[in-house]
Amino acid sequence: GENVEQHPSTLSVQEGDSAVIKCTYSDSASNYFPWYKQELGKGPQLIIDIRSNVGEKKDQRIAVTLNKTAKHFSLHITETQPEDSAVYFCAASEGTNAGKSTFGDGTTLTVKP
Amino acid sequence: DAGVIQSPRHEVTEMGQEVTLRCKPISGHDYLFWYRQTMMRGLELLIYFNNNVPIDDSGMPEDRFSAKMPNASFSTLKIQPSEPRDSAVYFCASSQVAGGNEQFFGPGTRLTVL
Repeated sequence: GENVEQHPSTLSVQEGDSAVIKCTYSDSASNYFPWYKQELGKGPQLIIDIRSNVGEKKDQRIAVTLNKTAKHFSLHITETQPEDSAVYFCAASEGTNAGKSTFGDGTTLTVKP
Repeated sequence: DAGVIQSPRHEVTEMGQEVTLRCKPISGHDYLFWYRQTMMRGLELLIYFNNNVPIDDSGMPEDRFSAKMPNASFSTLKIQPSEPRDSAVYFCASSQVAGGNEQFFGPGTRLTVL
C-alpha cells in the first residue's frame, strides 16, 4: 500500500517568513495530492490540492509543488501570519482505490508574532 | 449544506461500556470514512464505505470495533467493550467520486474511556 512521510513534524517561524513542508510517497500510481489544515478542536480542512498532470499550483500565499519522478511534493506558505498556526497534513490518493487517501503524520506550524 | 455532522461531540464513558459514534455525511457523497486521531499514532483510517458498502476495514484495530452504514445518510462506529486505550478523537469524513478525492471532515467526537 501507499506510504506517506512528512517532514518536519514541528516548524516554528516568525510572522512574515515563509514555511515549507515536504512529503514523499511510495506508490507511483498515486495521482492526487491534497493538503489539509487542522485548527485546534476542528477537523482537517482542504486548503490546496494538486494532480499528477500539474507540477505547481498556487492560491494566494499558498503553493504546492509536485515532483513525480522523485515522488515528493511540498507545501509553501509565504508571508506567514499567526492565523496560519495549525497542524498541516499532506496526503496521497492511490490510483486503484478511488476515494481513499493515505495521510502523513502532520506538521505543527507555529507562527510567532 | 451543513457539512458532515457527528454526534456526540464529546463522550466520557467507563471501561467496558459500549460506545456508539454517529455520522451524517454530506448529501450526494458516495464515500464515507472513519478516522481515529491520537498524539501517538496521528490520523489513522479505520474503515471506509462506498455506496454504503464497506470497502476496506483493514484499519479497524480489533473485533471490539464495528461500523455500519445502513443508508446513504447515516453511519455508526461502535466500540464494545471500550478500553482506556480507545480514548481518541474520532472523525468521520465524506467525499464524492467525481471531481477528485477531497474529503470533507466532520468536527470529530472526543472519546474518553476511564
